[in-house]
Amino acid sequence: QKEVEQDPGPLSVPEGAIVSLNCTYSNSAFQYFMWYRQYSRKGPELLMYTYSSGNKEDGRFTAQVDKSSKYISLFIRDSQPSDSATYLCAPPYVGNLIFGKGTKLSVKP
Amino acid sequence: KAGVTQTPRYLIKTRGQQVTLSCSPISGHRSVSWYQQTPGQGLQFLFEYFSETQRNKGNFPGRFSGRQFSNSRSEMNVSTLELGDSALYLCASSLYMDRDNEKLFFGSGTQLSVL
Repeated sequence: QKEVEQDPGPLSVPEGAIVSLNCTYSNSAFQYFMWYRQYSRKGPELLMYTYSSGNKEDGRFTAQVDKSSKYISLFIRDSQPSDSATYLCAPPYVGNLIFGKGTKLSVKP
Repeated sequence: KAGVTQTPRYLIKTRGQQVTLSCSPISGHRSVSWYQQTPGQGLQFLFEYFSETQRNKGNFPGRFSGRQFSNSRSEMNVSTLELGDSALYLCASSLYMDRDNEKLFFGSGTQLSVL
């Protein structure tokens, strides 16, 4: 079992929809949880990160962590075609990031 | 401020050859990390350098090596290339990489194809 699992998708939604992207992990030692966004032919860029359980909001994006069930979610409100990308969850651990394989999202106009 | 620059952008090699990839971090950043991205395995950590020293290493064979220069620029080398080495190689820089919530800035990567 990989340490971080994500549904690869692809996930296709209409513009304006609420998107839910999910990630599960197995290592209880993970403290922070990063969400990276990767556009085609580009490197990942940090979208937001959370520490401990609960919600964190940043504009249209909300990150949620449930440490008891080892479940991480990223919600995108009012999704836009520009949100079309691959979303990767990546908890840092011992000096590097443990990436999930990512979920490919397509937002149709 | 210029971002992380990786060269070359694309590379085609044949099995058995060796290859060197280059990375220039953001000015002032002293930590450089390398990742391999493939459709099958996703992003996997190769190694991390800080002040010309390798501080951290992933689970890759010894054919994969790297180094960092005094100006923080880094190179990675893959010797005796195998077909399975075909991947996008990403470089990321950060200030010190000494905190879990430290932000990594990625380059656009070098797409290596091994024929």
